[in-house]
Amino acid sequence: GESVGLHLPTLSVQEGDNSIINCAYSNSASDYFIWYKQESGKGPQFIIDIRSNMDKRQGQRVTVLLNKTVKHLSLQIAATQPGDSAVYFCAEGRAMDSNYQLIWGAGTKLIIKP
Amino acid sequence: DAGVTQSPTHLIKTRGQQVTLRCSPKSGHDTVSWYQQALGQGPQFIFQYYEEEERQRGNFPDRFSGHQFPNYSSELNVNALLLGDSALYLCASSLERGSRYNEQFFGPGTRLTVL
Repeated sequence: GESVGLHLPTLSVQEGDNSIINCAYSNSASDYFIWYKQESGKGPQFIIDIRSNMDKRQGQRVTVLLNKTVKHLSLQIAATQPGDSAVYFCAEGRAMDSNYQLIWGAGTKLIIKP
Repeated sequence: DAGVTQSPTHLIKTRGQQVTLRCSPKSGHDTVSWYQQALGQGPQFIFQYYEEEERQRGNFPDRFSGHQFPNYSSELNVNALLLGDSALYLCASSLERGSRYNEQFFGPGTRLTVL
């Protein structure tokens, strides 16, 4: 079925290096994408979003890239810090049954090595 | 400025019982959404409340129901609990701005265990 998925369930990165978390989506009708960070014992926290009319958006230490041709989304974290350890989710927004909903992927766990 | 709060933090029930979870939205927010997050998975949308009415609903059975009060707080009720209902239940609040998607702020969740 159509879904949002992630390539790697776990990603280990050396502290100070850049992290790249990938996400594939299958529904070309999706027009909005969000990255969330979820730390242990907490609810998801918004990181950055991008609309389908853009291919790149930058925030503080984070960049989201959208490739609609191959239906691929990535989150880049610059100079990864211990506080970046968390599970990262991508979510896609699409119209479903006259409503607009977010469909979430399964998540990637980011581990920071000292 | 208080964020989204949920109660209780943990709950243990047995099969067949009923449970009520509570959520207070972030100050100034008027819309509440509920999600179910199974262990190791992403959240799944249950429903959304706005102006005290269910506005959207995900693919969940009628055993899942909710309510929104005039102060915008909300309750999630689950009847006839099944083992598969064990999960983290997340509440998210947002401010209706008339756009397709309004940024949601999540609470810490309620961990429900069904034995």
